[in-house]
Amino acid sequence: EVQLLESGGGLVQPGGSLRLSCAASGFTFSSYAMSWVRQAPGKGLDWVSGISGSGDTTHYAESVKGRFTISRDNSKNSLYLQMNSLGAEDTAVYYCAKLRNRGLIPGYFDYWGQGTLVTVSS
Amino acid sequence: DIQMTQSPSTLSASVGDRVTITCRASQSISSWLAWYQQKPGKAPKLLIYKASSLESGVPSRFSGSGSGTEFTLTISSLQPDDFATYYCQQYHNYWTFGQGTRVEIK
Repeated sequence: EVQLLESGGGLVQPGGSLRLSCAASGFTFSSYAMSWVRQAPGKGLDWVSGISGSGDTTHYAESVKGRFTISRDNSKNSLYLQMNSLGAEDTAVYYCAKLRNRGLIPGYFDYWGQGTLVTVSS
Repeated sequence: DIQMTQSPSTLSASVGDRVTITCRASQSISSWLAWYQQKPGKAPKLLIYKASSLESGVPSRFSGSGSGTEFTLTISSLQPDDFATYYCQQYHNYWTFGQGTRVEIK
């Protein structure tokens, strides 16, 4: 059974940093691309970043480019999102999602974690 | 960037109704479209991929159609478990979601 478990969310001050983690199990982690998707309170889904199965290809939404870094450790079956220079607009539940293929595109998300809440506030 | 526009934003329906949600892309995305269902406080769930392929385990009352720029998600006979928010997503050029359609009880 595929399981994705996010952690690392919490309250952070504007301008601060946070690192999210996603622990994956139930599938061969290195064979699949992964992504982060966020959802601000009461709002829709907003794609953040994606990384190929090998980790050699990454892509970011314009809204986070230069501030967020996606990475993965295939030896630990783990996905990460380093978030710097956080602002109130980054407040959201952050979901880890598995893609159905090794590459980034064309790829859709077949499994999602339950999410971790990031709140940016002073 | 490819923009995705769903309509309606909210839909009121009764159990047993046939429900259709429309999703339009700002440029052609071929059939690279997925549909997700999300319930309050829960993660999204994949329903349809490649515009019309039903994900394993998803009830057959859900169906998708379309190609190019116009797509539809149809629920043939709405069930109590189907009251939720539905999102379309293009994956032709990375990813963009529609704004969502909330299906509520009439």
